[in-house]
Amino acid sequence: AQKITQTQPGMFVQEKEAVTLDCTYDTSDQSYGLFWYKQPSSGEMIFLIYQGSYDEQNATEGRYSLNFQKARKSANLVISASQLGDSAMYFCAMRTLGDYGQNFVFGPGTRLSVLP
Amino acid sequence: NAGVTQTPKFRILKIGQSMTLQCTQDMNHNYMYWYRQDPGMGLKLIYYSVGAGITDKGEVPNGYNVSRSTTEDFPLRLELAAPSQTSVYFCASTRDRVYADTQYFGPGTRLTVL
Repeated sequence: AQKITQTQPGMFVQEKEAVTLDCTYDTSDQSYGLFWYKQPSSGEMIFLIYQGSYDEQNATEGRYSLNFQKARKSANLVISASQLGDSAMYFCAMRTLGDYGQNFVFGPGTRLSVLP
Repeated sequence: NAGVTQTPKFRILKIGQSMTLQCTQDMNHNYMYWYRQDPGMGLKLIYYSVGAGITDKGEVPNGYNVSRSTTEDFPLRLELAAPSQTSVYFCASTRDRVYADTQYFGPGTRLTVL
């Protein structure tokens, strides 16, 4: 079965510091995609970053990077130089190419609070 | 492109009433999804569609129905609303059955059943 685990219900970080949000996944598929989404208090879901299972380099998008450790099945999101606007819920998600490939599996989320 | 649009943004229903949540996307995406998000929780899949005329149940389909007569539209029908259906409903779409394709989300519909 496909599963995403996010073990940190809430995280605090000081403004301008870096923070890592944990995500581990479980799948028997060899081909899969890993995604991170941000949900601010306004409620919309914002796509942040993507990592493919065959990508050898860690994905980066501006201040976001994905620390992909395939053998450990982890896909942690690193936010550098945190800003107050980064305070939000963050969801890790996975999509595979198996029978379940039409669907995304989401983790429970981590609430990040950036302190001034 | 407007992306994924949802109407209404907010709605209050009485127990037993019915309503349809509208979802439209203008990206010609084949795959569309309905999720619900309860307060402080993640997303749960209600129904999904892989193309016009093809729908299937997700994790929490009870109390809901869907149809997909066109590529663009994927309405969600609530029959006999119950307080347990109080939630935020998100519609999403993705282009194809390729694991690299991300989902694009609508802004959500906040539904309260009293």
